[in-house]
Amino acid sequence: GQNIDQPTEMTATEGAIVQINCTYQTSGFNGLFWYQQHAGEAPTFLSYNVLDGLEEKGRFSSFLSRSKGYSYLLLKELQMKDSASYLCAALNSNYQLIWGAGTKLIIKP
Amino acid sequence: GAVVSQHPSWVICKSGTSVKIECRSLDFQATTMFWYRQFPKQSLMLMATSNEGSKATYEQGVEKDKFLINHASLTLSTLTVTSAHPEDSSFYICSARDTLAGDTDTQYFGPGTRLTVL
Repeated sequence: GQNIDQPTEMTATEGAIVQINCTYQTSGFNGLFWYQQHAGEAPTFLSYNVLDGLEEKGRFSSFLSRSKGYSYLLLKELQMKDSASYLCAALNSNYQLIWGAGTKLIIKP
Repeated sequence: GAVVSQHPSWVICKSGTSVKIECRSLDFQATTMFWYRQFPKQSLMLMATSNEGSKATYEQGVEKDKFLINHASLTLSTLTVTSAHPEDSSFYICSARDTLAGDTDTQYFGPGTRLTVL
């Protein structure tokens, strides 16, 4: 079957670093997305990885290991506004998105 | 876990025809479903919120007469793209909220429907 696993909830402190992990099993693979979703809003695109390695975009970085079926989203210098759900989604060989259930990130002062 | 399916997965149609996309919650009831449109590597754009038994709420700039939404049951919402044109080609994604779950913020997303209008 196809599935995505990511933690349900994480808590971190303002100014700290947090890593949100995502493992996936899909029929074929055409890339992995990370989205941020604040309550009541549409998901916003954070990153897309299709090759192995780390991609950095400001405070956010995303890593992919295709051989391990593993990705993580790294958030640095956490701010209160980073409190949100983070969704991991893999694109399979049919270009269908397989979604994780999302990780709710709670930032404490 | 909560599963949302979409049908069809992909569709190619001629300009001027109408296309219906189904969104189903397979193991839970969804009073509210959402329809999104996604362009490559971009954020999901919310098109409309679909409420079971009532009219959908459309976002600004989305033509309700072009994108017809029907949410006739607690497990099914449909999006019909009427008189489709090439600019309607996109990836359409639905999501659903579990009516009976305590967490009212969580949305479960479907795999998407890729529409190509020739």
